[in-house]
Amino acid sequence: AQSVTQPDIHITVSEGASLELRCNYSYGATPYLFWYVQSPGQGLQLLLKYFSGDTLVQGIKGFEAEFKRSQSSFNLRKPSVHWSDAAEYFCAAKGGAQKLVFGQGTRLTINP
Amino acid sequence: DVKVTQSSRYLVKRTGEKVFLECVQDMDHENMFWYRQDPGLGLRLIYFSYDVKMKEKGDIPEGYSVSREKKERFSLILESASTNQTSMYLCASTSDRAYGYTFGSGTRLTVV
Repeated sequence: AQSVTQPDIHITVSEGASLELRCNYSYGATPYLFWYVQSPGQGLQLLLKYFSGDTLVQGIKGFEAEFKRSQSSFNLRKPSVHWSDAAEYFCAAKGGAQKLVFGQGTRLTINP
Repeated sequence: DVKVTQSSRYLVKRTGEKVFLECVQDMDHENMFWYRQDPGLGLRLIYFSYDVKMKEKGDIPEGYSVSREKKERFSLILESASTNQTSMYLCASTSDRAYGYTFGSGTRLTVV
């Protein structure tokens, strides 16, 4: 079955430190891949997406993600986090149909 | 920008009540979706619709139904609300030409 896994439920980093959030997918073929962010009490906002081509994708708010086919991964990174980055982050994938399948989410806490 | 509007941010309903959650999008999108979001489970697809009067079950349709009489509106119906349906409900839409979803701000439903 198609699935997306985010191994880390909760991550805490210090402000100014680098960040990497992990995402693995299980699909028959390479799906379209997405990262969304959800601030408390809000809906989901698209950070970035990967369809094909360059495996390093740039997104909004200074985030980037790298697609690695050999590892079935699409990890999200940011060189230096800000307190405003505290939120929940969701990795998602879409195969042939329009359905998005989401990971369980990773909650990010920023220490001052 | 595409706007997806969910009519209520917070709802409190009693067990056994019939509950309607409304979602409206303003960009003529063909595809609309209802997800529920629970801690540690991410977003799970309840129902989706590819066109007016068309609907398909997602991963957790039990206890829910949907209605799509007009292209812009997609309603989620809880026929007889139960406490295990207390959750955050998110509506989303996308067009056949796009790849990412646009989400509403969510409705936090509490069933008492």
